[in-house]
Amino acid sequence: GENVEQHPSTLSVQEGDSAVIKCTYSDSASNYFPWYKQELGKRPQLIIDIRSNVGEKKDQRIAVTLNKTAKHFSLHITETQPEDSAVYFCAASNAGTGRRALTFGSGTRLQVQP
Amino acid sequence: DGGITQSPKYLFRKEGQNVTLSCEQNLNHDAMYWYRQDPGQGLRLIYYSQIVNDFQKGDIAEGYSVSREKKESFPLTVTSAQKNPTAFYLCASSTATGNQETQYFGPGTRLLVL
Repeated sequence: GENVEQHPSTLSVQEGDSAVIKCTYSDSASNYFPWYKQELGKRPQLIIDIRSNVGEKKDQRIAVTLNKTAKHFSLHITETQPEDSAVYFCAASNAGTGRRALTFGSGTRLQVQP
Repeated sequence: DGGITQSPKYLFRKEGQNVTLSCEQNLNHDAMYWYRQDPGQGLRLIYYSQIVNDFQKGDIAEGYSVSREKKESFPLTVTSAQKNPTAFYLCASSTATGNQETQYFGPGTRLLVL
């Protein structure tokens, strides 16, 4: 089955700096890669996703890149703000066929220092 | 994700007791999922259902059971066979057609053992 690895487990940046979180996946059939943000005690919220037919997607200060050959994808947050502090999870699935459920990485705790 | 509700918010289980967690969605989604989250860890798939009256085991199904008698409901029972049930349980739903695979999460149920 799919295995998703996520690094780093914790990340501390100064406000205004950029943050990068990286994930690798094992199943070459995976074609859908969402990123979720989870604040303490709350539900995960989708912040951005990418499908395997594109290499990059941006939404304001957030971007995701995908390298299908290397089987890795990354989340980039620019101009970080204290409210970006949370746990971020990457995930992968094979949308369209077979098991559609997401396989999650272990999470990255991002702390933005004011 | 305001269309997915979970109850109760907190649940206490006594030794040897079965307890049932409720998940309801009004998004007309075909697929529903149950994940377990342990402190400081990612989400692990317990069970999923792509269509009414059908469900599949996920990665950690032992000690759990589900039913999918209605499209909008996917209750999870934590049986006495689950020896370490203390966790945060998250229900999610998504469309199950084509590549529209975005999963939306409910607010979660925190299960504690007395």
